[in-house]
Amino acid sequence: SQQGEEDPQALSIQEGENATMNCSYKTSINNLQWYRQNSGRGLVHLILIRSNEREKHSGRLRVTLDTSKKSSSLLITASRAADTASYFCATVHLSNFGNEKLTFGTGTRLTIIP
Amino acid sequence: DTAVSQTPKYLVTQMGNDKSIKCEQNLGHDTMYWYKQDSKKFLKIMFSYNNKELIINETVPNRFSPKSPDKAHLNLHINSLELGDSAVYFCASSQEGAKWRAKETQYFGPGTRLLVL
Repeated sequence: SQQGEEDPQALSIQEGENATMNCSYKTSINNLQWYRQNSGRGLVHLILIRSNEREKHSGRLRVTLDTSKKSSSLLITASRAADTASYFCATVHLSNFGNEKLTFGTGTRLTIIP
Repeated sequence: DTAVSQTPKYLVTQMGNDKSIKCEQNLGHDTMYWYKQDSKKFLKIMFSYNNKELIINETVPNRFSPKSPDKAHLNLHINSLELGDSAVYFCASSQEGAKWRAKETQYFGPGTRLLVL
């Protein structure tokens, strides 16, 4: 399967703690993206990191990319109850038509306990 | 000022029926997508259109037929609905530029929850 795999599948932490989620993928990538999905909602893009980048920050989010290990991590610092959601990584793969498509991982369900 | 909108939000129907889901984006994007998310939250692409041209068709049954009347709209028609079609269907769009690449941020609609009884 080409899909990425997030680890852990589920994570519960206390509000204020940091949350770390990992994503592994199988093929070479141009970029890797992280998305958040709140319950009953569509996905929201969080951050995109290109293959020539190793780390990227956006507010309380920190993403790292290790292309040699084909893995990425998403760190959310000082977590808040509103961060409770599912988090997905996505990478680009070739479709059946020979065009490129985003392939999403299996997701990490993050629960922040107030 | 919704960026990507879908209708209906919920759809409950009987097996064998034909139904349509509509999607519109007001972002001026060239590319639109349909995804299916199953009960395990696994999200899989079904179709993609770039400027009204089909560019991705991911081994989806012929009962599913996308239609893009213009680059701001991508509708999904499903014939002879089956129990296994029950899922959440998401529309998305992105601006890939003149030379299409699936490398840019995608903007998702709120989803259509389809339940086939």
